Amino acid sequence: GNSVTQMEGPVTLSEEAFLTINCTYTATGYPSLFWYVQYPGEGLQLLLKATKADDKGSNKGFEATYRKETTSFHLEKGSVQVSDSAVYFCALSDQNDYKLSFGAGTTVTVRA
Amino acid sequence: DAGVTQSPTHLIKTRGQQVTLRCSPKSGHDTVSWYQQALGQGPQFIFQYYEEEERQRGNFPDRFSGHQFPNYSSELNVNALLLGDSALYLCASSLAAGPPVDTQYFGPGTRLTVL
Repeated sequence: GNSVTQMEGPVTLSEEAFLTINCTYTATGYPSLFWYVQYPGEGLQLLLKATKADDKGSNKGFEATYRKETTSFHLEKGSVQVSDSAVYFCALSDQNDYKLSFGAGTTVTVRA
Repeated sequence: DAGVTQSPTHLIKTRGQQVTLRCSPKSGHDTVSWYQQALGQGPQFIFQYYEEEERQRGNFPDRFSGHQFPNYSSELNVNALLLGDSALYLCASSLAAGPPVDTQYFGPGTRLTVL
């Protein structure tokens, strides 16, 4: 079945540091890929998405590229802020599916 | 434009009881999905409702049931509660397009504690 594997956390960074969160997936066919973010005390918010190979999703300074050859969708940000402290979830939707399959989440804490 | 709303925010029940959680989708959305998020884990898909029918179901027992109303709002019912049902229950709404899923918009969740 479909699955998503995320880099284990927690991750602690200083402000303005570079952030990478690894995500790899297993799926049949060509899934759509997503990054969701959950800020403390809030629900999940879509951060970015990509629907086909080599697509790059971007939002709020975050980027992720859909790499079919390595079945990966790593999240990156060049300079993090304290406000980026949150839990980040990688997710996929198989081409025959109505559901999202999520990874376990990576907790990121940015210190001033 | 109201986003996805859920009620109640928190709920405490005892083992064996039954619970009903409610969700109103984002304006213009006609599809509602429910997810269970245990502490420290990613959300797990319970089921999706479209046109008042269950369209897809995840790996959850029959104790979990749902309903969608003509105004697209939805309820999640859990019978015979177990301690392991303690979790954050998330509702997500979307348009009927797919598969695959386009963007799902999530509510803030209902925190259920079973004692």
